[in-house]
Amino acid sequence: DGGITQSPKYLFRKEGQNVTLSCEQNLNHDAMYWYRQDPGQGLRLIYYSQIVNDFQKGDIAEGYSVSREKKESFPLTVTSAQKNPTAFYLCASSISIWQRSDPRGKLFFGSGTQLSVL
Amino acid sequence: ELKVEQNPLFLSMQEGKNYTIYCNYSTTSDRLYWYRQDPGKSLESLFVLLSNGAVKQEGRLMASLDTKARLSTLHITAAVHDLSATYFCAVPSGGSYIPTFGRGTSLIVHP
Repeated sequence: DGGITQSPKYLFRKEGQNVTLSCEQNLNHDAMYWYRQDPGQGLRLIYYSQIVNDFQKGDIAEGYSVSREKKESFPLTVTSAQKNPTAFYLCASSISIWQRSDPRGKLFFGSGTQLSVL
Repeated sequence: ELKVEQNPLFLSMQEGKNYTIYCNYSTTSDRLYWYRQDPGKSLESLFVLLSNGAVKQEGRLMASLDTKARLSTLHITAAVHDLSATYFCAVPSGGSYIPTFGRGTSLIVHP
């Protein structure tokens, strides 16, 4: 079945530690996204990638880094510079970020990773 | 900067009742998305509204879009417990699909 796989489901970070969240998709989508969700809040965009080897900062990129070495994979690293990392992290993908390429533009989401600080 | 506002943020309703969730947005967009999230789970797409006047229905949920008023509604008819979830609207801006999400409406349907 096609879809997006995020791992791990739960992750704990010690102070000063970097941690990496995995996101893999087999939908053959060009675009991938990382969102952060805090309780009672909407989703806020951290980074997005239009294509392999390209990515752009979203609204809250500070303290995070990403890579896009393969079309299928878009890992997110939460660095020690992110002072308040506790949140639910969601990865998503779409055919393209551009409306002319994909008339519907629906995002497909992974099951999420809950990150907590020890 | 695009702002997306949902009202109400919390909704407790009885089974069998009707209610409407509103989504207002601040800049021009010709499309809008509704997603559902169960507690601790991912988001799943409910509706994709692609033009002014678009209306989509699935089961007890009906969504509409008025691009002139920059308003979408999600109407719940004869609510049942299974509809308890958080509902998000999302609006893309400019020519890209990158959506801005509302804060979500947490819906609880009780007997």
